[in-house]
Amino acid sequence: KNQVEQSPQSLIILEGKNCTLQCNYTVSPFSNLRWYKQDTGRGPVSLTIMTFSENTKSNGRYTATLDADTKQSSLHITASQLSDSASYICVVSDRAAGNKLTFGGGTRVLVKP
Amino acid sequence: NAGVTQTPKFRILKIGQSMTLQCAQDMNHNYMYWYRQDPGMGLKLIYYSVGAGITDKGEVPNGYNVSRSTTEDFPLRLELAAPSQTSVYFCASINRDNTGELFFGEGSRLTVL
Repeated sequence: KNQVEQSPQSLIILEGKNCTLQCNYTVSPFSNLRWYKQDTGRGPVSLTIMTFSENTKSNGRYTATLDADTKQSSLHITASQLSDSASYICVVSDRAAGNKLTFGGGTRVLVKP
Repeated sequence: NAGVTQTPKFRILKIGQSMTLQCAQDMNHNYMYWYRQDPGMGLKLIYYSVGAGITDKGEVPNGYNVSRSTTEDFPLRLELAAPSQTSVYFCASINRDNTGELFFGEGSRLTVL
């Protein structure tokens, strides 16, 4: 069964600091890997989409990296702000299964002043 | 451009009642999904549709039904509501080949008492 595992489950960081979230997946071959931000009580919003041939993609202070050989992705948040407090979800598309989407469990980030 | 619209935003049901959660998208997307998210947990797929007239079960379909009579609408029906169906429900849509951005609605919070 294809899996997407995210770590840590949660973390607390101080405003202005950087942090990195991890996503390990077993989906292979995959079409693309997405990172989403979900604010409490809201629907997830897309941060980045990377195909298997891309290594990195940025969206403002968010930078996603992808290593297709080791099946790992990371999301780096630079100079965190209070508004970065949210859950971050990794989603991988299974190319062999009609691009079926497999969701990770998410990492909950709390930014403290 | 409204994106994905869900109604109602909040609803309280008594055990055994039935209701329909509405979802509409105006992006001409073929693929549509229904997810549920329990407190502190990840998204679980209930049902999905790859086009009008075509629906299929996801991970947790029991107690739910769907229909897809048009490209735009994908309603989720709860028959005989149970406390275990207390959750937040998200509808999402994506383009034809499932490789683009996945757009989510703002969610419908359902409580069954």
